Amino acid sequence: QQQVKQSPQSLIVQKGGISIINCAYENTAFDYFPWYQQFPGKGPALLIAIRPDVSEKKEGRFTISFNKSAKQFSLHIMDSQPGDSATYFCAASPGSSNTGKLIFGQGTTLQVKP
Amino acid sequence: NAGVTQTPKFRILKIGQSMTLQCAQDMNHNYMYWYRQDPGMGLKLIYYSVGAGITDKGEVPNGYNVSRSTTEDFPLRLELAAPSQTSVYFCASSTSNTGELFFGEGSRLTVL
Repeated sequence: QQQVKQSPQSLIVQKGGISIINCAYENTAFDYFPWYQQFPGKGPALLIAIRPDVSEKKEGRFTISFNKSAKQFSLHIMDSQPGDSATYFCAASPGSSNTGKLIFGQGTTLQVKP
Repeated sequence: NAGVTQTPKFRILKIGQSMTLQCAQDMNHNYMYWYRQDPGMGLKLIYYSVGAGITDKGEVPNGYNVSRSTTEDFPLRLELAAPSQTSVYFCASSTSNTGELFFGEGSRLTVL
């Protein structure tokens, strides 16, 4: 119940295309869903996050879509650029008392071809 | 502003040796965390701390210990290193409200 399942494991997209990464969770107590971006040799950095009271959040080219009833959420990267090539992790927090205790998905390695 | 600083960046240990991974943050964050990252497994929480003098176990605490004597520092101790502890270790910090974790650049540990 504490797992977050992420797919696909890897993704190749042409420049200008849309990248879509999906995550699913079981624990209905999760109430904070961030996405982290990690470049090789660096630590993850927060990209965008959502709480379950909204179904979508957009920041620039990055959008989170959230489906509470299906217990799924996804990251959409519009107009994908080579600079977006990185590993992306979805995560969920098991309660609002400490949103840093994250359960991470397995990660998706995105390659954007020029 | 350095953020979260981890040392060492790389270390090779022999089975049974012990060592301490250092983590320091200069953002005056109350919350600090240690995660380990293994290929295809995402990141898993080892220990966390909500303030000086307070620590608690995460998802995978076995084989590790932590202490938090100051707000700034959160060292991770490995006792009797085992090959299963070969991993990349990330320290992170956050405030109590925003939920955003600020990660260090990681410490790559190999146990042979």
